Amino acid sequence: AQSVTQLGSHVSVSEGALVLLRCNYSSSVPPYLFWYVQYPNQGLQLLLKYTSAATLVKGINGFEAEFKKSETSFHLTKPSAHMSDAAEYFCAVSVNQAGTALIFGKGTTLSVSS
Amino acid sequence: GAGVSQSPSNKVTEKGKDVELRCDPISGHTALYWYRQSLGQGLEFLIYFQGNSAPDKSGLPSDRFSAERTGGSVSTLTIQRTQQEDSAVYLCASSSAGGGYGYTFGSGTRLTIV
Repeated sequence: AQSVTQLGSHVSVSEGALVLLRCNYSSSVPPYLFWYVQYPNQGLQLLLKYTSAATLVKGINGFEAEFKKSETSFHLTKPSAHMSDAAEYFCAVSVNQAGTALIFGKGTTLSVSS
Repeated sequence: GAGVSQSPSNKVTEKGKDVELRCDPISGHTALYWYRQSLGQGLEFLIYFQGNSAPDKSGLPSDRFSAERTGGSVSTLTIQRTQQEDSAVYLCASSSAGGGYGYTFGSGTRLTIV
């Protein structure tokens, strides 16, 4: 069975600083990996996804993530944080395009201070 | 419709009552998912519908929970004899071809059991 671990339930950065949100997965077969963002009182929005093409995936709002099979990781980064990036971020894994549901991590809340 | 629509957005009900939560997916999306989001627990998978196939009910926490999807479109999640631990945000998502392509989420129904 697949699973996702997000290291750090809360990350705080200053505006302009690097954002790094960590995600490790467990899967016995090649995974599909996703990052979602949830702004307060809103649903989840897809940031980016890895589906076995390029290992470096670029998403919306300047975010990107790199799939590292040897480390079973899919960390999310952004070079320079904006105040508007403050939200909750979820990493998710799936192993079958047309079958199983996504399995989500418990989320990381990102705070950005001025 | 343009997005995934959920109703009601908020629901407060007395312990022991039954509740129905509605999800209207994006037109043409064959896959529909229900998740439960509790504080600090991430997203818990509940049930998954794919076209005319039998639903994957493996995530339903008890037999008090049930869901149906009529005509391959609108879905209703029913919780019978509600308990306080059922308080959570219930999120619905739809997808055109299963989890590997990512989901579009609704804004959720915040359910409070008093």
